[in-house]
Amino acid sequence: AQSVTQPDIHITVSEGASLELRCNYSYGATPYLFWYVQSPGQGLQLLLKYFSGDTLVQGIKGFEAEFKRSQSSFNLRKPSVHWSDAAEYFCAVGSYSSASKIIFGSGTRLSIRP
Amino acid sequence: GAGVSQSPSNKVTEKGKDVELRCDPISGHTALYWYRQSLGQGLEFLIYFQGNSAPDKSGLPSDRFSAERTGGSVSTLTIQRTQQEDSAVYLCASSSSDTYEQYFGPGTRLTVT
Repeated sequence: AQSVTQPDIHITVSEGASLELRCNYSYGATPYLFWYVQSPGQGLQLLLKYFSGDTLVQGIKGFEAEFKRSQSSFNLRKPSVHWSDAAEYFCAVGSYSSASKIIFGSGTRLSIRP
Repeated sequence: GAGVSQSPSNKVTEKGKDVELRCDPISGHTALYWYRQSLGQGLEFLIYFQGNSAPDKSGLPSDRFSAERTGGSVSTLTIQRTQQEDSAVYLCASSSSDTYEQYFGPGTRLTVT
């Protein structure tokens, strides 16, 4: 069955520290992958996406993610977090053969320590 | 241009009442999606429209839930005989047919008392 796992429910990092949010997927077809961010009281905003090609993708707000097929992972990284990065982060996966259904992970809540 | 809009932003209703939630997608986006987000949970897929047809209704949790889309634009999600477990934020998203990238509205927070 198709699934997306975000193993970390809540992460706290210090401002200025590096960040890595984990995402693992189980998908039979060639996946396309997304990371979304949901700030408090806001809608979801796309941070970045991977369809094909270079496995390291750059997104907005200084985020990047790397697709590792051998590990079925698409981890999100940022070299130095800012207090404004505190939010809920969702990994999502779909496929070219099933554009209608994008499966979302349960999310990781990021808190920033001053 | 304008993003996805949803109305109302908040809705409080009594158990057993019917509610209608509205979504206005981005102009020109052919695909429209409804999701449900319960407190502290991820997004639960409800239904997908391509144009006015709904090829994938697999996520609708019960026959109390229905949705329609008219003119390839506005969509309405209707919940009949609401139950307390229907309380959640209902999110709408739209996308163009060639990018699969979904743009989300701000959501409707539904509270069933």
